[in-house]
This record gives sequence, structure tokens and C-alpha cells, in this order.
Amino acid sequence: AQSVTQLDSHVSVSEGTPVLLRCNYSSSYSPSLFWYVQHPNKGLQLLLKYTSAATLVKGINGFEAEFKKSETSFHLTKPSAHMSDAAEYFCVVTRNTGNQFYFGTGTSLTVIP
Amino acid sequence: EAQVTQNPRYLITVTGKKLTVTCSQNMNHEYMSWYRQDPGLGLRQIYYSMNVEVTDKGDVPEGYKVSRKEKRNFPLILESPSPNQTSLYFCASSLWTSGVNEQFFGPGTRLTVL
Repeated sequence: AQSVTQLDSHVSVSEGTPVLLRCNYSSSYSPSLFWYVQHPNKGLQLLLKYTSAATLVKGINGFEAEFKKSETSFHLTKPSAHMSDAAEYFCVVTRNTGNQFYFGTGTSLTVIP
Repeated sequence: EAQVTQNPRYLITVTGKKLTVTCSQNMNHEYMSWYRQDPGLGLRQIYYSMNVEVTDKGDVPEGYKVSRKEKRNFPLILESPSPNQTSLYFCASSLWTSGVNEQFFGPGTRLTVL
């Protein structure tokens, strides 16, 4: 069985400060993990993905995430928040065969000017 | 432009009136999938398809049907919609060659069932 837990439903940061969005996963198999972003009234866009290569994954717009098997975590970070980062973020897990995908419940990021 | 399109974008209907939401992709992707998004629940997978004539249930398939007769199209059918199917629906597609690939999402269809 697979599942994803996003530990914070809402995160607020000031512009220019670091962002940390937390994700823990559960998987009976070697997982692939993704972070997607959804801006208001828009579809979903891939930020980054982990598929058993390097454990530190760099994505678009300065985001990165580290796969930690011992902690079953895949937290998303960014050194300095920008106003345009305000959005909903989803952590997603799948098996390496990648046919079924399991989304977390989402973290809403607010960036305060 | 590479994209996933969905129609309609908005739909208000009544209980029991059959409807179809279309999904089409122009990227020659093998894999396609439908999700519903509800507040506080994230996205949940309804059905997916690995290729033409190959479909399988996701986590929440009850009340939905799909078909994959052509590679580019993956319609979602609600034969007898009910109010609990009021939701935001997303179609997605991806390559299915080596390993797991990112999914490309459509713009969403907001469905209200009265």
C-alpha cells in the first residue's frame, strides 16, 4: 500500500525567507516521488521528481527536495520565497512501475510581503 | 503546442442525467488518467489507462466509466450523476516508456450536480 502525508495544510512565510513544505510517504515498494504546484484556478505543474537516482533533486523556480529513505520523507525547500510562489503544493507517490498515483492533501503556501 | 484539453470546462447538471467529459492529448502519450479534486482531500485517482483498450480502476472508480478507443482520447462518463460527484476533475497524460514520467494535466472541469 502507498500513501502520502503532507504534514502542514497551511504554511505562511515572509517574502525572502526560506520555505519548507513537509511530506512523508509510505510505500511497500521502491517509490517514485513528485512535487506538483497548483496556482489559483490553474492546472497542476511539475516542480520536481525523484525516481531512484540522486537523492537531492533540483526542480524549477529554485525548489529542491531531498529523498530520505530512513525517514520516509521528501520535503520541499526553497532558500528564498517569492510572492509568485503562493500556491497549493502536492506531494505524490507512485511505485516505480508508475501506474497508480497517490496525492497528499496539499499544502497551501502564503507569502507575506 | 503540447497540451491536454478537457471539455467542458464548467458543467452544471441534474441528478441522473448522463454526461461525458472529454479529454484529449496531442503528445502521443500512452498513459492517461482521471482525477477528482475535493477540498481537504487532494487529488484522487478515478481511472487510468496504460494504452489503447487497457483501462484500470484507481482509488475512487464508483459511479464512473471510461473508455480508451484511441490513443489521444480518454473520456470520462458519468451514467447517472449524483450530488456527491460534484467536484473538480482533471485529466492527465504521460509517456509510458522507460521508468516513471511526469504527468501533464489538463485545465480541469468543474462539475456541479444538483
